Amino acid sequence: DTAVSQTPKYLVTQMGNDKSIKCEQNLGHDTMYWYKQDSKKFLKIMFSYNNKELIINETVPNRFSPKSPDKAHLNLHINSLELGDSAVYFCASSPPEGYGYTFGSGTRLTVV
Amino acid sequence: AQSVTQLGSHVSVSEGALVLLRCNYSSSVPPYLFWYVQYPNQGLQLLLKYTTGATLVKGINGFEAEFKKSETSFHLTKPSAHMSDAAEYFCAVKGGTGFQKLVFGTGTRLLVSP
Repeated sequence: DTAVSQTPKYLVTQMGNDKSIKCEQNLGHDTMYWYKQDSKKFLKIMFSYNNKELIINETVPNRFSPKSPDKAHLNLHINSLELGDSAVYFCASSPPEGYGYTFGSGTRLTVV
Repeated sequence: AQSVTQLGSHVSVSEGALVLLRCNYSSSVPPYLFWYVQYPNQGLQLLLKYTTGATLVKGINGFEAEFKKSETSFHLTKPSAHMSDAAEYFCAVKGGTGFQKLVFGTGTRLLVSP
């Protein structure tokens, strides 16, 4: 039973398209995150939600819009995809005290 | 603000040799420190963490790390490398409890030769 699951695992799309990545956790955690890992493996936080409320919003283009319908789900919608959006996107969750984060297996997005 | 520096983008060891991956952090508040491992085409798995208390922490797969406040370090060690340890290792810091983001280092690729 996967703790943090992301779909799809791979996503290949053309420039200008709109796409969504879904994330679900069954750990009962209150806080969820989206991280971006670039081609050099660098991990950077994009967003964080606590119990459906946005609490961290890094300097991410407004083409990226997170949505949290409930505390177990955090989706990422990307409009007008650009080549530079190609990366691996990781969803994660953590308990209220924020000790260890549990990560999903990632979504590899390739924009062509 | 918090930051992490991992010295050495690549570390090569022989199977059976000591593994030492270096991590130095900067934090304006008492830090929580983590090591994660990423195997190819997989997500990140928590190896170990330091929050408070004992400064020597043991993790999975025989890894351990020691929090040294005076040196602002949290180096990862394993006495004897195994081929299966080959992966990318990330050190991360969080500024204590609450809604603080987890900030990662740039990662160190561990290569293990037979």
